[in-house]
Amino acid sequence: KNEVEQSPQNLTAQEGEFITINCSYSVGISALHWLQQHPGGGIVSLFMLSSGKKKHGRLIATINIQEKHSSLHITASHPRDSAVYICAVDRGAQKLVFGQGTRLTINP
Amino acid sequence: NAGVTQTPKFRVLKTGQSMTLLCAQDMNHEYMYWYRQDPGMGLRLIHYSVGEGTTAKGEVPDGYNVSRLKKQNFLLGLESAAPSQTSVYFCASREWDEQFFGPGTRLTVL
Repeated sequence: KNEVEQSPQNLTAQEGEFITINCSYSVGISALHWLQQHPGGGIVSLFMLSSGKKKHGRLIATINIQEKHSSLHITASHPRDSAVYICAVDRGAQKLVFGQGTRLTINP
Repeated sequence: NAGVTQTPKFRVLKTGQSMTLLCAQDMNHEYMYWYRQDPGMGLRLIHYSVGEGTTAKGEVPDGYNVSRLKKQNFLLGLESAAPSQTSVYFCASREWDEQFFGPGTRLTVL
């Protein structure tokens, strides 16, 4: 069993829909990261969370440390949000363990 | 700021050949990482460095060596390439709460 599990693996939605991507982990962590990988392959950091909730524009990330679970939400989704979203947990020593990613496609 | 750059972007090797991938960052970050990304799998850590002159093994270090002689550069070497090393390689550097990734190197070993 992977230490970091994401669901769903693939998600297709219509423009404007509210999107939720989930991440569960089975180990102790110091922080959790959400990343976005563009269709061209580039990877950018979206959030780092150690508790609670963070918001940046239309993206919201939450984490529940007790339940070992995090969610990434996208409000008013747009085709440009189409990408692979990756959850990664920081197990200390600044090393990340990554989930397999969720491929999101937003249709116009 | 160029951020994190990787050289080369693409490479095709024959089994047994050697090569070095170069990662450079201009953000004065202490931490640098080499990852590989394979279809159906998450990014996996090969080696990492917590500062100039230091390196450490990650999750999948076999068949790779690294060096960090200068703070801004992190080199990944393949001494004798194998088809199992066909992958996309990403370098990253880290500030406290954010990792900065290079554009990736697509390596094919025939």
